[in-house]
Amino acid sequence: KNQVEQSPQSLIILEGKNCTLQCNYTVSPFSNLRWYKQDTGRGPVSLTIMTFSENTKSNGRYTATLDADTKQSSLHITASQLSDSASYICVVRFTGGGNKLTFGTGTQLKVEL
Amino acid sequence: KAGVTQTPRYLIKTRGQQVTLSCSPISGHRSVSWYQQTPGQGLQFLFEYFSETQRNKGNFPGRFSGRQFSNSRSEMNVSTLELGDSALYLCASSLTGGSNQPQHFGDGTRLSIL
Repeated sequence: KNQVEQSPQSLIILEGKNCTLQCNYTVSPFSNLRWYKQDTGRGPVSLTIMTFSENTKSNGRYTATLDADTKQSSLHITASQLSDSASYICVVRFTGGGNKLTFGTGTQLKVEL
Repeated sequence: KAGVTQTPRYLIKTRGQQVTLSCSPISGHRSVSWYQQTPGQGLQFLFEYFSETQRNKGNFPGRFSGRQFSNSRSEMNVSTLELGDSALYLCASSLTGGSNQPQHFGDGTRLSIL
């Protein structure tokens, strides 16, 4: 069964600190892996999209990495801000699966003063 | 450019009723996908429409249906509502639904079943 697992489930960090969120997947074959940020009460917003041939993709203070051999991805947040408090969702798309995306259950990040 | 608009934002229904949710995609986007989000299951794909045709379907019962109009606006219908249908229903649009195109999500309709 194609699955996407994220860790940790929740995380609390101090403002200004860095953090790394993990995503392991068993989806195969896949065409791309995405990271989304979802603020409470809002829809998800795309942070990065990486194809299977890409190793890293950055979007401001967010940097995603992908290791297709081990089927692992990580999202690194640098110099965290209070506004980074949100749920971060890893999403993997099947090859030829149209828009059938498989979603992880997310990591709930809270940034505190 | 206006984003994806979903209406209504909140809805309360009782078991056995039916409900229709609406989604207006970003102007020029022709692919619309629907998702159900619950605390226990996370986000799950319902179906995708492109050019008024259902192109993909997730593993949901036939009580869940949808359609797309010629202006790309989409509606989702759930009949014979069950308590377990309480969820946030999200709509996302993209230009053509191509493999590496980003999907733009609306803020969802929160459906509560009493």
